[in-house]
Amino acid sequence: QKEVEQNSGPLSVPEGAIASLNCTYSDRVSQSFFWYRQYSGKSPELIMSIYSNGDKEDGRFTAQLNKASQYVSLLIRDSQPSDSATYLCAPDYKLSFGAGTTVTVRA
Amino acid sequence: NAGVTQTPKFQVLKTGQSMTLQCAQDMNHNSMYWYRQDPGMGLRLIYYSASEGTTDKGEVPNGYNVSRLNKREFSLRLESAAPSQTSVYFCASSENLQRVGGELFFGEGSRLTVL
Repeated sequence: QKEVEQNSGPLSVPEGAIASLNCTYSDRVSQSFFWYRQYSGKSPELIMSIYSNGDKEDGRFTAQLNKASQYVSLLIRDSQPSDSATYLCAPDYKLSFGAGTTVTVRA
Repeated sequence: NAGVTQTPKFQVLKTGQSMTLQCAQDMNHNSMYWYRQDPGMGLRLIYYSASEGTTDKGEVPNGYNVSRLNKREFSLRLESAAPSQTSVYFCASSENLQRVGGELFFGEGSRLTVL
């Protein structure tokens, strides 16, 4: 089993809809999680960090963490074409990433 | 607000040539990393440096060497380039002293082509 698994995508959503991205992890050591966004041809950038169980909201983004289920998700509300990118989930203590989930928002 | 700066941004090499990718950060971070990204493969860790004076192998270290020159700078060297090393290389840094990983800040990337 891979340490980090994301819904493979690609994910296509209409403008204004909610995009839901999921990530599961196999270890019980990780305490915090990070979501990165990578536009095509660009470097990854951190968009959300979550350190405790529950929800964390930042503008149109909501991260959800469930340590018991080893599950973290990212919701993008009111999706915009500018949200079209690849999203990478990364737990702390882990230095590699999966291929991520590519999101396309249709205008 | 330079953040993480990589040079060069583009490079074409012939098989067998050597080169060094340079990386510098101005955020006073302790940890630095080198990744490569190939289409559909995600980011793969080559080497990292948890703190000044230490370096460790990552997932795909073969064919590479690194030097943590000081707290700011972390270089990646290809001694004898191979076509399989054609990739986009990203340098990253993080603040964490207590543990490696956490929030990473990336440079803009260096696109390397080996013919």
